[in-house]
Amino acid sequence: DAKTTQPTSMDCAEGRAANLPCNHSTISGNEYVYWYRQIHSQGPQYIIHGLKNNETNEMASLIITEDRKSSTLILPHATLRDTAVYYCIVRVGNSGGSNYKLTFGKGTLLTVNP
Amino acid sequence: NAGVTQTPKFQVLKTGQSMTLQCAQDMNHNSMYWYRQDPGMGLRLIYYSASEGTTDKGEVPNGYNVSRLNKREFSLRLESAAPSQTSVYFCASSIYSASGKTADTQYFGPGTRLTVL
Repeated sequence: DAKTTQPTSMDCAEGRAANLPCNHSTISGNEYVYWYRQIHSQGPQYIIHGLKNNETNEMASLIITEDRKSSTLILPHATLRDTAVYYCIVRVGNSGGSNYKLTFGKGTLLTVNP
Repeated sequence: NAGVTQTPKFQVLKTGQSMTLQCAQDMNHNSMYWYRQDPGMGLRLIYYSASEGTTDKGEVPNGYNVSRLNKREFSLRLESAAPSQTSVYFCASSIYSASGKTADTQYFGPGTRLTVL
């Protein structure tokens, strides 16, 4: 799986958009970009994933650059409950064999301030 | 639809005791996983089950055994608990199919917090 680089921490004001960047310059053509988050003491929560095109769901939007070497997760209206560690993960989408595990790096601690 | 459930939520054991962590999913997923998370660290895969009837070792299998009881349930057993197994344990599941063409998203349970004294 390709390695990802994320800022250690970010702050965001409540009600504003939170834009979390991720660099994945060694991504392969068959690798997806996944985003998960982990709120303190809870299990990781799936947010969104994408391959080439930008994606949007009820939680967030994912913007992937044309060369696929970086992406941005956007929480359009951050709330205090969005304070969490956000993980950007790149992996083969339909993994088999030894590629089952999700590799969680350090992630970005997003703190939403009132 | 409860998703992935885990029992118990908390457990304290003495060194040498045994216990089984239970996990169940109601999403009709084929694959299930056990991870552990130590303070300040990422998740590490202990065991996984690609489909009912199969199990395989992950990164840190020593000291653990697993059973894929049926499609819904995947249990993790500590035969002789050690203080190094103090951790938070997460179960996850995904729909993975060898013939599938879509991304294989894993969904996690709330975790079991285990302390071994």
